[in-house]
Amino acid sequence: NAGVTQTPKFRVLKTGQSMTLLCAQDMNHEYMYWYRQDPGMGLRLIHYSVGEGTTAKGEVPDGYNVSRLKKQNFLLGLESAAPSQTSVYFCASTPRGGKSDEQQHFGDGTRLSIL
Amino acid sequence: AQSVTQPDIHITVSEGASLELRCNYSYGATPYLFWYVQSPGQGLQLLLKYFSGDTLVQGIKGFEAEFKRSQSSFNLRKPSVHWSDAAEYFCAVGNTGGFKTIFGAGTRLFVKA
Repeated sequence: NAGVTQTPKFRVLKTGQSMTLLCAQDMNHEYMYWYRQDPGMGLRLIHYSVGEGTTAKGEVPDGYNVSRLKKQNFLLGLESAAPSQTSVYFCASTPRGGKSDEQQHFGDGTRLSIL
Repeated sequence: AQSVTQPDIHITVSEGASLELRCNYSYGATPYLFWYVQSPGQGLQLLLKYFSGDTLVQGIKGFEAEFKRSQSSFNLRKPSVHWSDAAEYFCAVGNTGGFKTIFGAGTRLFVKA
């Protein structure tokens, strides 16, 4: 099973450029999440989705947009990249959502550098 | 507000020695608690979780954790560390009223020969 797949794995952008990170899960999970991981700060939630066609803001949403047009895909967009967005981005999913006893299933991450 | 504190940014232990990674949480009700491990270049993998019942929880790879309500702690232990255990470890607490999971800042484990 592929689980949660993130593309690309690495990317270097110039300030002001835009890009989209793709997350795909093949487990038929309802909830999907985007996190960023920065040294000494753990994982911080950017946006999440409770189902196809729905999205909501997390802890650090500014500068990012998301879309969930299909249940299996969750896209994270940077409209105008800034150096402060240099980070490792993780996508995760949970089966049903709404119950926080479920473990999160993570992708391998996307390492993004903004010059 | 919920919070998770991992007091140790990094820990170094000798191979074969015992390990304890500390985790303290702040939450008003009975929490859902997790330990995840992250190997270099990979995502987080669940080691173990606690919801209720026996306060000593067994996980994968020989890890265990003990929930102590009086101390608001959920420390991770392993009796004998292997070189392959070198990784970053994250403690997390789940919100019983919803979906959110709060992660600690992580503890990086180094294993020396």
